Amino acid sequence: GAVVSQHPSWVICKSGTSVKIECRSLDFQATTMFWYRQFPKQSLMLMATSNEGSKATYEQGVEKDKFLINHASLTLSTLTVTSAHPEDSSFYICSARASGRGSGYEQYFGPGTRLTVT
Amino acid sequence: GEDVEQSLFLSVREGDSSVINCTYTDSSSTYLYWYKQEPGAGLQLLTYIFSNMDMKQDQRLTVLLNKKDKHLSLRIADTQTGDSAIYFCAESTPGSGNTGKLIFGQGTTLQVKP
Repeated sequence: GAVVSQHPSWVICKSGTSVKIECRSLDFQATTMFWYRQFPKQSLMLMATSNEGSKATYEQGVEKDKFLINHASLTLSTLTVTSAHPEDSSFYICSARASGRGSGYEQYFGPGTRLTVT
Repeated sequence: GEDVEQSLFLSVREGDSSVINCTYTDSSSTYLYWYKQEPGAGLQLLTYIFSNMDMKQDQRLTVLLNKKDKHLSLRIADTQTGDSAIYFCAESTPGSGNTGKLIFGQGTTLQVKP
């Protein structure tokens, strides 16, 4: 149980275009989802926390107009990278927190999406 | 502020035990976690420990928590080549609000030699 999927697993796009990444909790309801960014050989950097039905909370230094997050249902959150540039190329990972499971703060991670902007 | 530190690299021989260490600064940490990341993949939750526990064992994994020294370790017994990965420790604290935000260490790359 506690499976989180991401789609697509990798994407290549041209500079200036927008890319949408989906994060789904497959067998549980996730009231809270998190979006992370990971550079090669580095740790995860939390970008934003998304709660179902409300606006996402962005971490300091993350542009909310560039990284649009929508948490429309208890099983789906989307991250849209708008007007992508090469410096946005990275590995984007989502996680979902399942209320009532484990510690309560336990997060289950998706497999990640590799974004390359050319 | 909250900070989590790990050594960056550990190399062991197959069959030996591996010990990965982590220190944290926030004494109000409630839960501490160990995640495993294989190349090109997301993070897999290995185990977690509540801050009022000293030790937790789950098959080949043993977690030790020294709250006084703010030190967490993960011991992998009989390490196998399939254990080669990056291991992240993470903490959640009441300061995270009720969002369950995790603070991650830099990750320790475990290399298992046959």
